[in-house]
Amino acid sequence: DSGVTQTPKHLITATGQRVTLRCSPRSGDLSVYWYQQSLDQGLQFLIQYYNGEERAKGNILERFSAQQFPDLHSELNLSSLELGDSALYFCASSSGGSGQPQHFGDGTRLSIL
Amino acid sequence: DAKTTQPPSMDCAEGRAANLPCNHSTISGNEYVYWYRQIHSQGPQYIIHGLKNNETNEMASLIITEDRKSSTLILPHATLRDTAVYYCIVRVAGNTGNQFYFGTGTSLTVIP
Repeated sequence: DSGVTQTPKHLITATGQRVTLRCSPRSGDLSVYWYQQSLDQGLQFLIQYYNGEERAKGNILERFSAQQFPDLHSELNLSSLELGDSALYFCASSSGGSGQPQHFGDGTRLSIL
Repeated sequence: DAKTTQPPSMDCAEGRAANLPCNHSTISGNEYVYWYRQIHSQGPQYIIHGLKNNETNEMASLIITEDRKSSTLILPHATLRDTAVYYCIVRVAGNTGNQFYFGTGTSLTVIP
């Protein structure tokens, strides 16, 4: 158990809809990262937050957004969903200290019908 | 960030040591080497990381060459549950954490 909690585990929805994925980091971790893993691609970094502030952006679409709340949990919002958004979405957290590793949650499997 | 090169696949007999190589010839002095593994579609599992010195924990050992251009992850007694994709990542350590860029990794199959 990594200590990172993601909900829901599975999500099925239709094209054009909007969903919110939630992540609770490990106790004490200030950084949260979001990754996407599609069937035909590896893990792709989307975005990072540190103590409520956006720190880095990767391959995140404009239809996607995220935020980190004062209690440090984070939400990834996906809107105008397309079939190609079907993927596993992982959240990771780290303390933010120099060199500290990330610890990943079990992911949310999103299926677009 | 330095790029890494890993063999796409490896086999290892159960009970034997699994030695997974990683080449990171362009690594810079302040980049750490991290190893993760992913079993099926589970979240990547942190294994070990290091900067210059060899490291060991309850899961594995990490051997980094003196010039830091390559490293080897050693699973001392591989079991069937070690079958997974193993990722070697190098990343500059930042004050606010790091984003990782995963390559294609090495698919390790432990054979009974």
